[in-house]
Amino acid sequence: QVQLKESGPGLVQPSQTLSLTCTVSGFSLTSNSVHWVRQPPGKGLEWVGAIWSGGSTDYNSALKSRLSISRDTSKSQVFLKMNSLQTEDTAIYFCTRSVYYGLPFDYWGQGVMVTVSS
Amino acid sequence: DIQMTQSPASLSASLEEIVTITCKASQGIDDYLSWYQQKPGKSPQLLIYDATSLADGVPSRFSGSRSGTQYSLKISRPQVDDSGIYYCLQSYSTPFTFGSGTKLEIK
Repeated sequence: QVQLKESGPGLVQPSQTLSLTCTVSGFSLTSNSVHWVRQPPGKGLEWVGAIWSGGSTDYNSALKSRLSISRDTSKSQVFLKMNSLQTEDTAIYFCTRSVYYGLPFDYWGQGVMVTVSS
Repeated sequence: DIQMTQSPASLSASLEEIVTITCKASQGIDDYLSWYQQKPGKSPQLLIYDATSLADGVPSRFSGSRSGTQYSLKISRPQVDDSGIYYCLQSYSTPFTFGSGTKLEIK
């Protein structure tokens, strides 16, 4: 069955780089897209970015300069790297799947809480 | 970027009411609109996609519609278990954007 699971450090210091991994199963990264969505505590959902089935990427306009999404198809993993972290980046980070551009996010990971604090 | 203006921010409804939540897109999005329900401590779950199509396993009391660039989620005779936060998402063009969310309480 389709599954996604996020992993990464729970605590990151300000100005440092966040590295998260989304490990997927039950589908291929070469025929589906994976997106990152984040949610600050008590706030709404924010689309962070995506890696498409062909390997191209798209990013949130406000985060673009600090963000990189990549993948390792042999390991069924998608990676998020965000540098120059600030306290406003504290959030739950979810990875989610969409079969194709324009289609909805049909499966979600459980999310991983990331706190930016010294 | 396409803006999605969602309303109301919160509402409380009884079991006999019809609940309506709306999202207005800042431009045409060709029905690339989906709705999600999120409960505390959980991941969002897909309810409606392509503006009007019901996702697998979602009760038929949920429905979606469109009028112009305004999209609506309707819950007919809601259940207590329908309490949660609802979000719309446009996936017409990147960057994709969510509505701000509607907190629904069913009394």
